[in-house]
Amino acid sequence: QSVLTQPPSVSATPGQKVTISCSGSSSNIGNNYVSWYQQFPGTAPKLLISDNNKRPSGIPDRFSGSKSGTSATLGITGLQTGDEAEYYCGTWDSSLSAVVFGGGTKLTVL
Amino acid sequence: QVQLVQSGAEVKKPGASVKVSCKASGYTFTGYYLHWVRQAPGQGLEWMGWINPNSGDTNSAQKFQGRITLTRDTSISTAYMELSRLRSDDTAVYFCATGEPPNDWGRGTLVTVSS
Repeated sequence: QSVLTQPPSVSATPGQKVTISCSGSSSNIGNNYVSWYQQFPGTAPKLLISDNNKRPSGIPDRFSGSKSGTSATLGITGLQTGDEAEYYCGTWDSSLSAVVFGGGTKLTVL
Repeated sequence: QVQLVQSGAEVKKPGASVKVSCKASGYTFTGYYLHWVRQAPGQGLEWMGWINPNSGDTNSAQKFQGRITLTRDTSISTAYMELSRLRSDDTAVYFCATGEPPNDWGRGTLVTVSS
């Protein structure tokens, strides 16, 4: 059971927008920065969003992040079939003194 | 560019130990924490711990305390993760990653625990 809660799967059609939620508590999301990762099968995770809403160099602006209270959201606009992947949220948990991740959300682009 | 090169796949028997290495290049090794994250087959990401390569200080998830040892050799810009008393559910791909949050990742090391 993950400390952060994500929906197991989301789906949308090419060109549409999708959002992926990540729910936590005051000891993690509520008081710490949230990151988002994209992972394709058999590869390492790739950082998409850091510090709640910052995109590292090279990440298209189709990807966005936001945080409100103890929840965070990843948004992806202009969906492409190449966006089909697993997406994870992560943050620091001050009570556990540990990095925690969500269970992952599989994005299907139909 | 930043590169983290991990050691090769391992097969271990239950009760044994495994030591995975992660050689860094392309940045100042002592400048950033080095994290270890694992992923069991078909499962999500699980953070194991980090090491401060500059000081050698470490922090590990409670789940692994007593079984995990994180070390580094600054002379060769390499970090190590040793996990002892292996069980079948330790079968996973083990990643090293650097940055805060982890930004650059190694390709992973598959550790298989099987009798």
